[in-house]
Amino acid sequence: SQQGEEDPQALSIQEGENATMNCSYKTSINNLQWYRQNSGRGLVHLILIRSNEREKHSGRLRVTLDTSKKSSSLLITASRAADTASYFCATVHFKAAGNKLTFGGGTRVLVKP
Amino acid sequence: NAGVTQTPKFQVLKTGQSMTLQCAQDMNHEYMSWYRQDPGMGLRLIHYSVGAGITDQGEVPNGYNVSRSTTEDFPLRLLSAAPSQTSVYFCASSGGTPGMNYEQYFGPGTRLTVT
Repeated sequence: SQQGEEDPQALSIQEGENATMNCSYKTSINNLQWYRQNSGRGLVHLILIRSNEREKHSGRLRVTLDTSKKSSSLLITASRAADTASYFCATVHFKAAGNKLTFGGGTRVLVKP
Repeated sequence: NAGVTQTPKFQVLKTGQSMTLQCAQDMNHEYMSWYRQDPGMGLRLIHYSVGAGITDQGEVPNGYNVSRSTTEDFPLRLLSAAPSQTSVYFCASSGGTPGMNYEQYFGPGTRLTVT
């Protein structure tokens, strides 16, 4: 079963606007990771945030983690057409055999030029 | 480095046929895994390996077999293909387990159709 659930399922914005998507999960985690998938391609790692971290930045990406609410958000600032992709959160849960990643269903982002 | 490579890119099978999806990585990664992705869904773990000679089941292992005889290669075998196995299959590798804060590197995927 999926532990991470993204919201919204789809997002359409104009180039230059910010895009925010959220991820909620159910049980305590070791870390949470965000991945991007362009149409027809494999996933690309964006950011990993550990359970004891609250915020991380990478270029135009900002990720927050609130373990009390069991949720994370990914913010893409000043979006570009090239940011059009699906974005997935993936969680690693305490005591999960093999420390496996569990993926959510993704948010499809369309950035219109 | 080529990273994670997968072959074939596309495959069509008839129900009952068997085949092997190939996955190789040249990053000397210990941890490798296979996922399937169905339309509108995230990835679900099929099998994973923490090193040569060690494999274990993921969330959806039925109908699939794996082996890990070398660090580089992690093939996925479909024993008797069924239409429910129509999906896109991704192989991934990482320097350690995800629980030890390692990111995963994904291959480009194999699109499989079972008729």
